[in-house]
Amino acid sequence: DVKVTQSSRYLVKRTGEKVFLECVQDMDHENMFWYRQDPGLGLRLIYFSYDVKMKEKGDIPEGYSVSREKKERFSLILESASTNQTSMYLCASSQPTGGGSGVYGYTFGSGTRLTVV
Amino acid sequence: DQQVKQNSPSLSVQEGRISILNCDYTNSMFDYFLWYKKYPAEGPTFLISISSIKDKNEDGRFTVFLNKSAKHLSLHIVPSQPGDSAVYFCAASVRGDNDMRFGAGTRLTVKP
Repeated sequence: DVKVTQSSRYLVKRTGEKVFLECVQDMDHENMFWYRQDPGLGLRLIYFSYDVKMKEKGDIPEGYSVSREKKERFSLILESASTNQTSMYLCASSQPTGGGSGVYGYTFGSGTRLTVV
Repeated sequence: DQQVKQNSPSLSVQEGRISILNCDYTNSMFDYFLWYKKYPAEGPTFLISISSIKDKNEDGRFTVFLNKSAKHLSLHIVPSQPGDSAVYFCAASVRGDNDMRFGAGTRLTVKP
């Protein structure tokens, strides 16, 4: 069974701390994504990566950075955590689906609920 | 600016009846649309999709309709079951862009 694993389900951090959220996939997918989920706003794309050492900004990259040193691991970094970064963070990976359709199906992790106090 | 909008935050239906979840989009470049289902404490899981060359796609109890001129899609679930109670996210992408945009979600409650 394919899997995207996020290292922590719940995390509480203090304002100003540097926070690392880890995501590992075992499907040899090329593409990985970080979203945050907030009530009324749905899932918003923070950063994504098409390949090792590559990264692209999503819609809300401010206050975040990412690292992808290995194909299976994509880390989200909060350089200096703030209370407005309290949220559910979801990691996903994808690979082109079959049939040459170019359609990319996402597999999501279970999420990390981060609280910044 | 949200490119994918789900204007109904919640929907409640009786078991056995039809559930209709709606989604609107603003980016005319979107050509692939998906619905994801999310239970509490789990990540979203893929439910059904449709490409812009079609106006309907059916998979068992689930049917997605696409109206390109109105930039609107809907998900029909019939008959609805209590196990369908979840948050449903509409998503869209431009084929090849590989970065999907999601709506805010609609919480569906199916009452026994």
